[in-house]
Amino acid sequence: DGGITQSPKYLFRKEGQNVTLSCEQNLNHDAMYWYRQDPGQGLRLIYYSQIVNDFQKGDIAEGYSVSREKKESFPLTVTSAQKNPTAFYLCASTSRRGSAQPQHFGDGTRLSIL
Amino acid sequence: KQEVTQIPAALSVPEGENLVLNCSFTDSAIYNLQWFRQDPGKGLTSLLLIQSSQREQTSGRLNASLDKSSGRSTLYIAASQPGDSATYLCAVSREEGKLIFGQGTELSVKP
Repeated sequence: DGGITQSPKYLFRKEGQNVTLSCEQNLNHDAMYWYRQDPGQGLRLIYYSQIVNDFQKGDIAEGYSVSREKKESFPLTVTSAQKNPTAFYLCASTSRRGSAQPQHFGDGTRLSIL
Repeated sequence: KQEVTQIPAALSVPEGENLVLNCSFTDSAIYNLQWFRQDPGKGLTSLLLIQSSQREQTSGRLNASLDKSSGRSTLYIAASQPGDSATYLCAVSREEGKLIFGQGTELSVKP
């Protein structure tokens, strides 16, 4: 079955530590996205990538970094500069064929501070 | 700046009832509007996507409408079931693929 796999499901970060969240898709989608979800709030866009080796900042990119070396992979690093990293992180992808394609989401990674 | 609002924040109904969830947005220049379902601790599942040139989309017991001029969309759920209990999110696309989400409506359908 095609889909998006996020790992790990739960992640704990120590003070001053960088952590990396994995996102892999086998849908042959060109575009990939990272969102952050806080309790009682909608999703907010962190970074997105429309093509390999290219990515753009979303609305809340400070304290985060990404890479897109392969079409199927879009890892997100939460750096020590992100002072409030506790949240639910969701990865999504979509085909670039026009605006008629819905985004497909993974099951998320829940990040907490130790 | 585009803002998306969903009303109500929470809704509890008895099984079998028809219900309407509301979504409003401030900027009518959108590419499309999508409705998603989110179960606790899970990712989002796409329910319906309405392109900016369309007025409505239907899938089974779900019907979504779009009125761009007034900045509104509704999700109609017919004959609700306990399995419909989840959080429903609407999102508008401001550029291709970039979504802005509302805060969601938490739906509980009681048997």
